[in-house]
Amino acid sequence: SQQGEEDPQALSIQEGENATMNCSYKTSINNLQWYRQNSGRGLVHLILIRSNEREKHSGRLRVTLDTSKKSSSLLITASRAADTASYFCATPGGSNYKLTFGKGTLLTVNP
Amino acid sequence: DAGVIQSPRHEVTEMGQEVTLRCKPISGHNSLFWYRQTMMRGLELLIYFNNNVPIDDSGMPEDRFSAKMPNASFSTLKIQPSEPRDSAVYFCASSYQAADTQYFGPGTRLTVL
Repeated sequence: SQQGEEDPQALSIQEGENATMNCSYKTSINNLQWYRQNSGRGLVHLILIRSNEREKHSGRLRVTLDTSKKSSSLLITASRAADTASYFCATPGGSNYKLTFGKGTLLTVNP
Repeated sequence: DAGVIQSPRHEVTEMGQEVTLRCKPISGHNSLFWYRQTMMRGLELLIYFNNNVPIDDSGMPEDRFSAKMPNASFSTLKIQPSEPRDSAVYFCASSYQAADTQYFGPGTRLTVL
């Protein structure tokens, strides 16, 4: 079953604006990860946040995690056209602790 | 490190033919994953190996699909016989452990005519 689900499915903004994507999941986790996929490419790991962390930063990325609400958000500040991509959240799920990916948010940053 | 290597990058074949996709994971990684991505179904986990052993193959669509990992540095995904609905991008990924960061290969774009 789907563990992580991103929202919205698609987001279009202007360069320089901030982009916020959300992820909801169903079961308890020990970490949550965000990945980016440019068109025609493989997924690239962006950031991992552990269940005992509430917020984490990496460059222009800010990730929050609310385990009580089983949700996470990814904020990209001062967006650039090169940020145009699909963004996925992934959580360990099931008895084997393998990662399960959501369906992704397609972010388009218009120059 | 060269990252995860997949071959071929593109494959066009006719229905009924056998297709073999190849993957070389990052050295030292214990877990290997095969995914399929389509517009309709998104990213689907097909199978994952830990220490060369298949742990979960519940995502393999049917008996036409098989995967092997004969050693820590090589895995194959085989489709026999192939069908047009198998057309997709197939990704291989590896990680140090199953729930760790996964490193994806560039994918193989498969087209079955």
